[in-house]
Amino acid sequence: GAGVSQTPSNKVTEKGKYVELRCDPISGHTALYWYRQSLGQGPEFLIYFQGTGAADDSGLPNDRFFAVRPEGSVSTLKIQRTERGDSAVYLCASSLTRGMNTEAFFGQGTRLTVV
Amino acid sequence: AQSVTQLDSQVPVFEEAPVELRCNYSSSVSVYLFWYVQYPNQGLQLLLKYLSGSTLVKGINGFEAEFNKSQTSFHLRKPSVHISDTAEYFCAVTLNNAGNMLTFGGGTRLMVKP
Repeated sequence: GAGVSQTPSNKVTEKGKYVELRCDPISGHTALYWYRQSLGQGPEFLIYFQGTGAADDSGLPNDRFFAVRPEGSVSTLKIQRTERGDSAVYLCASSLTRGMNTEAFFGQGTRLTVV
Repeated sequence: AQSVTQLDSQVPVFEEAPVELRCNYSSSVSVYLFWYVQYPNQGLQLLLKYLSGSTLVKGINGFEAEFNKSQTSFHLRKPSVHISDTAEYFCAVTLNNAGNMLTFGGGTRLMVKP
């Protein structure tokens, strides 16, 4: 597919468990972004990658959240010791570069439910 | 830090009527402004953006928005809506050195009725 792909589309986990959410960006896109969208709210920025490195992780809420992009393509968002408040839709976006003239394309998100 | 306020959480409108979705932002420095649309069960899609130049920006699907610096607003308009425009609309801003690290508003649900 040509778009940003996120897997799984839905994830239900028990409180305290560890989860991984995957994002496959558009091929060739160097910039990758993670956002979190809670029910009834707009997306909130979590972390931004330029290539393999996390250029800005100022949006990660605490140290239970971590993301990697080891080869500069696929990214994984990892959440340890999940809490019910982590329930949200996690969105991934990618853009060709970090410049403002390049559009960010969003995936359909992973809906995480912590029970 | 910048912030975005979308004043209306829901806007009901009849088909073929005009619509305006309001967006106000606050920032101590210059920002870039965006409108995104989210159709049911789909990802966010860019409608239009303001980076510089003309304050009236035209986007896809007949939408346009006007940047008003003195009122710190970026309202979205369409002269005649269709049933297919029913969706959630998000206004967003970013700083000029922040790439696509966007700050979003809370969203406005546009409900077009026949």
